[in-house]
Amino acid sequence: AQTVTQSQPEMSVQEAETVTLSCTYDTSESDYYLFWYKQPPSRQMILVIRQEAYKQQNATENRFSVNFQKAAKSFSLKISDSQLGDAAMYFCAYRSAGGSQGNLIFGKGTKLSVKP
Amino acid sequence: EAQVTQNPRYLITVTGKKLTVTCSQNMNHEYMSWYRQDPGLGLRQIYYSMNVEVTDKGDVPEGYKVSRKEKRNFPLILESPSPNQTSLYFCASSFSRGSWFFGPGTRLTVL
Repeated sequence: AQTVTQSQPEMSVQEAETVTLSCTYDTSESDYYLFWYKQPPSRQMILVIRQEAYKQQNATENRFSVNFQKAAKSFSLKISDSQLGDAAMYFCAYRSAGGSQGNLIFGKGTKLSVKP
Repeated sequence: EAQVTQNPRYLITVTGKKLTVTCSQNMNHEYMSWYRQDPGLGLRQIYYSMNVEVTDKGDVPEGYKVSRKEKRNFPLILESPSPNQTSLYFCASSFSRGSWFFGPGTRLTVL
């Protein structure tokens, strides 16, 4: 079974600085998808970024980028020029591309605080 | 606007009183799923559906029922709610191999 681990329960960053959130996963599959979701105090789950395992190029979305290391099974999220609105819980998630793709497997989350 | 909607957003009920939380998506997604989120336990899947009339259990299906009679709707049924089902519930939908999109959540309290 696949697992997702986020080893940093809490992180803090100064406004305008850069922060990196860590995520590792375990799988025996070669084709899968990885995601970062943001959950602000409103509790809405918001998709931040998506990475296809077959793509070597790291995904980017504006100030958000990932460092995808397939061999190391690592998928970190870098937030550049941090803003107060980035304060939230961030969840790393895994989706199989095969028969078990009905499930999105989440890590336990990292709570990010942004200091003004 | 493409979205996943859930109703109600907040619900307080009593043990044993049957309830249904509705979920609807307007993106023609094949996949739909229900999750519950609890402090310290994260998000856990209850049930999912791959298409109309096709459903399967997730990690924590006990005490819940689902049905998928139409592609856009995927209601979650608690036939006899108990206090341990107090939680924040999310519905989500996606295309095959796509990104999952989540509803706004339903906060359920069972007294």
